[in-house]
Amino acid sequence: GAGVSQSPRYKVAKRGQDVALRCDPISGHVSLFWYQQALGQGPEFLTYFQNEAQLDKSGLPSDRFFAERPEGSVSTLKIQRTQQEDSAVYLCASSLLAGGPYTQYFGPGTRLTVL
Amino acid sequence: DQQVKQNSPSLSVQEGRISILNCDYTNSMFDYFLWYKKYPAEGPTFLISISSIKDKNEDGRFTVFLNKSAKHLSLHIVPSQPGDSAVYFCAASSTQGGSEKLVFGKGTKLTVNP
Repeated sequence: GAGVSQSPRYKVAKRGQDVALRCDPISGHVSLFWYQQALGQGPEFLTYFQNEAQLDKSGLPSDRFFAERPEGSVSTLKIQRTQQEDSAVYLCASSLLAGGPYTQYFGPGTRLTVL
Repeated sequence: DQQVKQNSPSLSVQEGRISILNCDYTNSMFDYFLWYKKYPAEGPTFLISISSIKDKNEDGRFTVFLNKSAKHLSLHIVPSQPGDSAVYFCAASSTQGGSEKLVFGKGTKLTVNP
């Protein structure tokens, strides 16, 4: 079956621009996660949804970052007024159920480069 | 502070031999551990997991060992194959904190030489 998909795969933005990154989780998966991976580092947690409810946004680095999952399936991560330090790979993951632990399955990521 | 540490940035082994990747953690609340493999330009791929109620889990060529008292886990790959060459990430989570987020180490790059 289809895995987690993300679009775009690559995004180049000028500093100050707003960007929107999309995640399509595996169909029927309740939980959805966003992670940020800087070069040479492991993924770092940004935020977590259970269906449409955002239960944890403790990892969002600033109020320029905003995520939503309005219908409990597709999610969008929005970054306003991008800065160079936002350059990273943004990974989305989903898991079948909530109340864990359940395996998280990752998408291919979106590589964001801010010039 | 890094709660999950992979102290070896890289490891090189000969095809057919055993690969051992190590991971240490500091947070005693972690009770579920996973290993992911990552190829360039792809997302992490789940390999194997272990719950803190077990000390070993095996799946084909992959075995994960957990030593709770030492807060240490390791991934054994036997026999190693050239296709295993990738970056391996150790990850941990706590089922008691409400959030199901994973905390990752920095990864170990494994190279399996033919």
